[in-house]
Amino acid sequence: KNQVEQSPQSLIILEGKNCTLQCNYTVSPFSNLRWYKQDTGRGPVSLTIMTFSENTKSNGRYTATLDADTKQSSLHITASQLSDSASYICVVTQRGDSSYKLIFGSGTRLLVRP
Amino acid sequence: DARVTQTPRHKVTEMGQEVTMRCQPILGHNTVFWYRQTMMQGLELLAYFRNRAPLDDSGMPKDRFSAEMPDATLATLKIQPSEPRDSAVYFCASGLGFGGGHEQFFGPGTRLTVL
Repeated sequence: KNQVEQSPQSLIILEGKNCTLQCNYTVSPFSNLRWYKQDTGRGPVSLTIMTFSENTKSNGRYTATLDADTKQSSLHITASQLSDSASYICVVTQRGDSSYKLIFGSGTRLLVRP
Repeated sequence: DARVTQTPRHKVTEMGQEVTMRCQPILGHNTVFWYRQTMMQGLELLAYFRNRAPLDDSGMPKDRFSAEMPDATLATLKIQPSEPRDSAVYFCASGLGFGGGHEQFFGPGTRLTVL
């Protein structure tokens, strides 16, 4: 069954600390994996997109990794800021014959405290 | 400042009424997506279009939902008749493709409440 599982479900950290969010998937055939940040009351914003051949990609203080062999991805946030408080959603694209299908994780809710 | 716009931002209606949500994709984007987000189900893809043609609407309840792109600057999502279980935030997103590394840009969403 094609699934995307994220952990932890929620996380509280102090401002300035680092954290790592996990995403494990069982989607096949794989096209790409995306990490989105969603602030409360807003639409998701893309952080990174990684295809099969990419194993790390950075966007400022956000660094995503992908291990296509173990089907695991992580999102590392460095020197967290209060504005990092949001939900982080992992989405895996499944490649089909003539179309694509998105498999969504349920998200990790991050709260950064001063 | 190119961005996806959606109207209305909020909609409260009664069960059985027709609801139409509108989306203006970013100029030049050829792929448009409709998503629904609820606390219980999270984010789910309802349908997507490429060059105004529907490519996949398998995520959409066909009996009451319909999605169209009358022209390149307007996408609509219609629910008729609406039911309380349709209460959710509906997002539109646009991009230059689906597979590979194409990014999707989301609108602010329409928060729908069906009483």
